[in-house]
Amino acid sequence: GNSVTQMEGPVTLSEEAFLTINCTYTATGYPSLFWYVQYPGEGLQLLLKATKADDKGSNKGFEATYRKETTSFHLEKGSVQVSDSAVYFCALTLNSGGYQKVTFGIGTKLQVIP
Amino acid sequence: EPEVTQTPSHQVTQMGQEVILRCVPISNHLYFYWYRQILGQKVEFLVSFYNNEISEKSEIFDDQFSVERPDGSNFTLKIRSTKLEDSAMYFCASSEAKTGWSGNQPQHFGDGTRLSIL
Repeated sequence: GNSVTQMEGPVTLSEEAFLTINCTYTATGYPSLFWYVQYPGEGLQLLLKATKADDKGSNKGFEATYRKETTSFHLEKGSVQVSDSAVYFCALTLNSGGYQKVTFGIGTKLQVIP
Repeated sequence: EPEVTQTPSHQVTQMGQEVILRCVPISNHLYFYWYRQILGQKVEFLVSFYNNEISEKSEIFDDQFSVERPDGSNFTLKIRSTKLEDSAMYFCASSEAKTGWSGNQPQHFGDGTRLSIL
């Protein structure tokens, strides 16, 4: 089956520190990969996506590169801010016919302190 | 930017009662989904819905659950005879096209309804 494994938090960083949240996946077909973010008290928001190998998704200073050889999609940001404090979910859907459900990782809580 | 809206934000219900969670998907979207997140656990897929019928459901989505699109805008999840273990955050999502095509359209999520069963 399909699954997503991501590092469990919480991750606590000082403002302006470098962020990496690791994510690896297993999939029976060819997946599209996503990072969703959940700010406190809010729903799931799409942060970035990549639909094929070697694609780089980016948004709001965050980046992730689809690495087929290592089945990974690690999230990075060069300088985090307090406002980045949230839970980050790595996720995938399959690039095949049908109505494709999203398979989520467990979520990594990030806390950025001033 | 268009949003998926869910009501209520928090629902408290006695065990054994029926509950209906409501969602208004983005207006030009055709595919609708429900997910749930039990506190501290993963977000789990429940069901997908297209053209007025269920297209896929998980093993969680048993006879206790049903979905409906009663009109052109609402999409509802009904839970009959609620149990304590149904307490969770329930997310509705919609997408413009099948997620997973090369011209990929991701799913857009609402803010969720927190369901508390007493």
